[in-house]
Amino acid sequence: AQSVTQLDSQVPVFEEAPVELRCNYSSSVSVYLFWYVQYPNQGLQLLLKYLSGSTLVESINGFEAEFNKSQTSFHLRKPSVHISDTAEYFCAVSDWNSGYALNFGKGTSLLVTP
Amino acid sequence: DAGVTQSPTHLIKTRGQQVTLRCSPKSGHDTVSWYQQALGQGPQFIFQYYEEEERQRGNFPDRFSGHQFPNYSSELNVNALLLGDSALYLCASSPSGQLTDTQYFGPGTRLTVL
Repeated sequence: AQSVTQLDSQVPVFEEAPVELRCNYSSSVSVYLFWYVQYPNQGLQLLLKYLSGSTLVESINGFEAEFNKSQTSFHLRKPSVHISDTAEYFCAVSDWNSGYALNFGKGTSLLVTP
Repeated sequence: DAGVTQSPTHLIKTRGQQVTLRCSPKSGHDTVSWYQQALGQGPQFIFQYYEEEERQRGNFPDRFSGHQFPNYSSELNVNALLLGDSALYLCASSPSGQLTDTQYFGPGTRLTVL
C-alpha cells in the first residue's frame, strides 16, 4: 500500500537560513508527487509538483524539490527562508493504484524566526 | 476568478446530529473531492465526484455521503455525528479529474462535534 512519511513534524529555522523538509514515500508503481502549503487559517495551496521529466521542480517563490526514485524521496528545499514562509507543509502522492485520491503526509510545521 | 468556496466556515453540532457542508468549485472545474483533516494530521481522502457520480471513495463509513449537482457544486453529508468527526473538512476541485490534475483547495469548514 502507498504511504507518505514526513520525517520532521516541526522545523525551526532562522530567517535567511537554508531549510530542507523531508518526504519519503512508498509505492510499487510510478508516482506523482506534490508539495502543498497551508498558512494559518487558510486552505491548502499547491507549491510545486512532479509528474514526469526533469526530477528537479521549482516554485515561483524560491522553493525547489527533487524527485529521487532510488531513495523514494521528494525533499523540499529553500536556500534562504523568510518570515512569511512560516506555515504547515504537506507532501502528497498519487499513483494509478490510489486512483484520484491524494495521499498526504502528516505535515511539517516550518517556523521561521528573526 | 473565484476560487473554491465552502460554506459554512464554522459549525458546531452535537453527537448524533446530521450535518451538510457545501462546496462550489473553481470556475471551469467539473470534479470535486472532499478531504477530512483532523487536528495535527494531513488531509484524508473521503470521496470524489465527477459527472454527478461518486467516482472513488476513501476509507470512510457510509455515514459520509455526498452529492454533486449539475452546476458541479457539491455537498458532503455526515449522519449520526461522532466526537471523532470533529475536523476541518476541505473541498478540492480539478478541471477534468485526471490523475495529473492539480487539485485546488477551498478554505475548509471547521466542524466541532460536542
